[in-house]
Amino acid sequence: GAGVSQSPSNKVTEKGKDVELRCDPISGHTALYWYRQSLGQGLEFLIYFQGNSAPDKSGLPSDRFSAERTGGSVSTLTIQRTQQEDSAVYLCASSLVISGSPSTDTQYFGPGTRLTVL
Amino acid sequence: AQTVTQSQPEMSVQEAETVTLSCTYDTSESDYYLFWYKQPPSRQMILVIRQEAYKQQNATENRFSVNFQKAAKSFSLKISDSQLGDAAMYFCAYRVNSGYALNFGKGTSLLVTP
Repeated sequence: GAGVSQSPSNKVTEKGKDVELRCDPISGHTALYWYRQSLGQGLEFLIYFQGNSAPDKSGLPSDRFSAERTGGSVSTLTIQRTQQEDSAVYLCASSLVISGSPSTDTQYFGPGTRLTVL
Repeated sequence: AQTVTQSQPEMSVQEAETVTLSCTYDTSESDYYLFWYKQPPSRQMILVIRQEAYKQQNATENRFSVNFQKAAKSFSLKISDSQLGDAAMYFCAYRVNSGYALNFGKGTSLLVTP
């Protein structure tokens, strides 16, 4: 079946503009995750959704970052008033929580959105 | 703080040879899962292998195997019979049983030469 998809693949924006990044998880996956990968770094966890709820938003770096998930499927990560330090690859992952605990389930990643803030 | 250390920023291996990528981690939890992900230039993170911390037997997946030393908090990846398609960034990660976020190292860039 289809994997995790993300759009756009690349986004260039000007400092101060708002951007929206989209993630389509694997069909039937109830858990969805956003990560950020800055140049030369590993992945940094941002937020986790179980269904439409986000039990933990503590990874979001500032109040300019928000995310929502509708219908237990598509998720949008919004960055308001973008700054140059927001430039990174934003990766989305999903997993099928079959055991009641997301920690036992493998996360499958999308190809990411490369965000460049000029 | 929970951290993952990959001490080799870059590694090189000849085709058909064997290479080992190292990883150490630090967590106070006793139940967790360990992963190696591969990230080719396409950016997509691909799961290579997974290890449950409660299992003593090292995981294997075809040419990929791990050496898991729980007491030392070490989780190295061995790639046998290296192929050109193995060239990529390799990330070590873990997730505690009580959580959901993957904690990643900074990665090791693997170059495979003919």
